Amino acid sequence: DIQMTQSPSTLSASVGDTVTITCRASQSISSGLAWYQQKPGTAPKLLIYLTSTLEDGVPSRFSGSGSGTQFTLTITSLQPDDFATYFCQQYNSNSGAFGQGTRVEI
Amino acid sequence: QVQLVQSGAEVKKPGSSVKVSCKASGGSFSSYGINWVRQAPGQGLEWMGVIIPVFGRGSYAQNFQGRFSITADESTSTVYMELNSLISEDTAVYYCARDRPGAGGACVFWGQGTLVAVSS
Repeated sequence: DIQMTQSPSTLSASVGDTVTITCRASQSISSGLAWYQQKPGTAPKLLIYLTSTLEDGVPSRFSGSGSGTQFTLTITSLQPDDFATYFCQQYNSNSGAFGQGTRVEI
Repeated sequence: QVQLVQSGAEVKKPGSSVKVSCKASGGSFSSYGINWVRQAPGQGLEWMGVIIPVFGRGSYAQNFQGRFSITADESTSTVYMELNSLISEDTAVYYCARDRPGAGGACVFWGQGTLVAVSS
């Protein structure tokens, strides 16, 4: 199985900051890379799929990029609602490993 | 709009089995993957497996091969996951999640989660 390594595990930031989260795959993957946001007690919410495509209704301050084994999620102008935990996931027809998560805190 | 409704919380003894259902409504049931993802208390997300109902056969993460299975009942638009030989470390919230056309397999729609507690 492909392994996903996400960093950092915790990120301290302030409203208005730009933050970047990185996800590295154990082997080269296609564009099947997604990012999710999760708040306590709720199911994850899809933010980005196919590496860089923004899900409907997700603010444009979220963006994704990358290729091969290195992928990033960038949040510009961090808003109070963005303090949450973020996960990457590689997915194809047979697997769907998640990264360990990044908690974005004040 | 696609909606996934999962069965209720379960309390199980070590060594027993649990079966959780995920009933889908809206959209096409048979053609898109339904994943199972679990989250232990205070931990991250762990992908367990996926089934595309029209193909009928699940694909499983290596960690779960042998004691985990996913099945689909197209007549009721329901997917089931069964986990056997439960241990305390299987205590978690279990989610089903489905993709949609164009998302390439990402988990777009999520169930509400089902808590499975394993305790003697």
